[in-house]
Amino acid sequence: EPEVTQTPSHQVTQMGQEVILRCVPISNHLYFYWYRQILGQKVEFLVSFYNNEISEKSEIFDDQFSVERPDGSNFTLKIRSTKLEDSAMYFCASNRGQTQYFGPGTRLLVL
Amino acid sequence: GQSLEQPSEVTAVEGAIVQINCTYQTSGFYGLSWYQQHDGGAPTFLSYNGLDGLEETGRFSSFLSRSDSYGYLLLQELQMKDSASYFCACYQGGKLIFGQGTELSVKP
Repeated sequence: EPEVTQTPSHQVTQMGQEVILRCVPISNHLYFYWYRQILGQKVEFLVSFYNNEISEKSEIFDDQFSVERPDGSNFTLKIRSTKLEDSAMYFCASNRGQTQYFGPGTRLLVL
Repeated sequence: GQSLEQPSEVTAVEGAIVQINCTYQTSGFYGLSWYQQHDGGAPTFLSYNGLDGLEETGRFSSFLSRSDSYGYLLLQELQMKDSASYFCACYQGGKLIFGQGTELSVKP
């Protein structure tokens, strides 16, 4: 069964450094998303992407964040200058209908 | 804005039935979904209710009442592996808005 994949599974970085989180959505899906989950809290929407552009973003998704679909398969989330509070699990998701399929997540730790 | 309320935790025994409730306040409601999450792993889709009524998928069922802004997830014949967090979520403009999650503990 097709699935969403994400790399890396874990990332440790120093405050102020840039990180790029990578995702490969399910191949025939059209809508892509990034969510984050701070430890012990709910899953929060960051951004949605359709037809090679951002369709919606939350207030969390400020100028430090950007997304890209550099080729036909990858979907990336870049955080330009990480802050301590960016430490969280980041999930990529894709869907074609009412079901969103989530990747296994990247656990980001900012020191 | 959107808000979804669900109990923070529920405990039940193996073989029992448990119901996890979710009430919501949203604009532009398109339906209620339920996701399961084990230990911070990926949220896994369980069910979706776009219309009022009951949807059944094996041991899991989900119910929606739009007039009451209320839904629930029903888990039958509980197994130890059902211990997880369960999130209700609704769509707003294509994105999912999640509730805070209900941690279900299944005891022997």
